Amino acid sequence: DAGVTQSPTHLIKTRGQQVTLRCSPISGHKSVSWYQQVLGQGPQFIFQYYEKEERGRGNFPDRFSARQFPNYSSELNVNALLLGDSALYLCASSQFRDTGSGGSGNTIYFGEGSWLTVV
Amino acid sequence: AQSVAQPEDQVNVAEGNPLTVKCTYSVSGNPYLFWYVQYPNRGLQFLLKYITGDNLVKGSYGFEAEFNKSQTSFHLKKPSALVSDSALYFCAVRGRDTGRRALTFGSGTRLQVQP
Repeated sequence: DAGVTQSPTHLIKTRGQQVTLRCSPISGHKSVSWYQQVLGQGPQFIFQYYEKEERGRGNFPDRFSARQFPNYSSELNVNALLLGDSALYLCASSQFRDTGSGGSGNTIYFGEGSWLTVV
Repeated sequence: AQSVAQPEDQVNVAEGNPLTVKCTYSVSGNPYLFWYVQYPNRGLQFLLKYITGDNLVKGSYGFEAEFNKSQTSFHLKKPSALVSDSALYFCAVRGRDTGRRALTFGSGTRLQVQP
């Protein structure tokens, strides 16, 4: 079975430009989350989507936006790029359960990431 | 707010020796706890998780972790290290509050296993 797939794997953008990153979750998974990992740090939560609705947002500026499509794939958009946006952007998927009662649905699986360099 | 501390930036161990990578957490209520591994220029690979039940959790590649509620710790262990275990390890926590679904990660611990 395919895991979480992300595209593109690497890209270079200029300050002020806009970028769109794409993610396809594991088959059967309805929840997609985005994380930013700056070099030397742990991943930081950006967004979570479930059933096309935003279910959580981290402490990121409004330049960051995302959406989820009917097939559960997702896009992350970043506008007005800054040098500090250079990072590995990770997409994660899970079988989302509202009860929080545990079980395999709470495992979050990550893709290989998209490396964004802003120059 | 939830947080994770990984007090060691790097852990060095000889091949064949046991290894421990430390993690402590802070979260409201009972936690979900996770360990992930990251190889160079790769994404995160899931190793194991604690949801409920037995405090000793077994995961992939011979790794295990022990949940200690009183010490709010979730240390990663392996009885016999391999050179191929050398990688960056992240501990993560998520609260059971349905309004907090994001994982909070520690800063990571680099494991170096010497032949």
